[in-house]
Amino acid sequence: DVKVTQSSRYLVKRTGEKVFLECVQDMDHENMFWYRQDPGLGLRLIYFSYDVKMKEKGDIPEGYSVSREKKERFSLILESASTNQTSMYLCASSPGGIREQYFGPGTRLTVT
Amino acid sequence: DQQVKQNSPSLSVQEGRISILNCDYTNSMFDYFLWYKKYPAEGPTFLISISSIKDKNEDGRFTVFLNKSAKHLSLHIVPSQPGDSAVYFCAAEGTYKYIFGTGTRLKVLA
Repeated sequence: DVKVTQSSRYLVKRTGEKVFLECVQDMDHENMFWYRQDPGLGLRLIYFSYDVKMKEKGDIPEGYSVSREKKERFSLILESASTNQTSMYLCASSPGGIREQYFGPGTRLTVT
Repeated sequence: DQQVKQNSPSLSVQEGRISILNCDYTNSMFDYFLWYKKYPAEGPTFLISISSIKDKNEDGRFTVFLNKSAKHLSLHIVPSQPGDSAVYFCAAEGTYKYIFGTGTRLKVLA
């Protein structure tokens, strides 16, 4: 079974802090994605990566950056957390050429 | 601008009956569609998909229908079971990424 793990299930941070969300997948997938889920807005793509050291902006990249130094790990960075970044963050991966994405359990981030 | 819309935020169905979840899209260039199911405190899991060259795809109790002229797809669950209670997201494949709908919360009543 594909396993996508996220470093924390719940996280509380203060406004202005730098926040790191880590995602690891164990199936050698080429593609990795970061989404946020908000009520009434569904899942919105923040960033994605098709290969190590490559990244592409999604629909809402402002205020975020990413890092993919190893194939299995994709990190989401909030450079200076703000209250409007309080959300559920979901990481996903997929093999190249395969359309279904496999999601991690999510990190619920609260910024106070 | 919401390119993929799920206009019903919630739906309640009696156990054993049919559940029909709907999804509309605006971009005729979308050529692949998926449905995901999400339980609380878990990530979404893939349920079923359909290519634009088909109008129906079936997997056990789950069937997805695609009406390209109407830019509409629907997920049918027959018979519905209490374990099907979850949030369902439809997604359309755009350029190198997916665009998700806002989700429909299905509650199957025992």
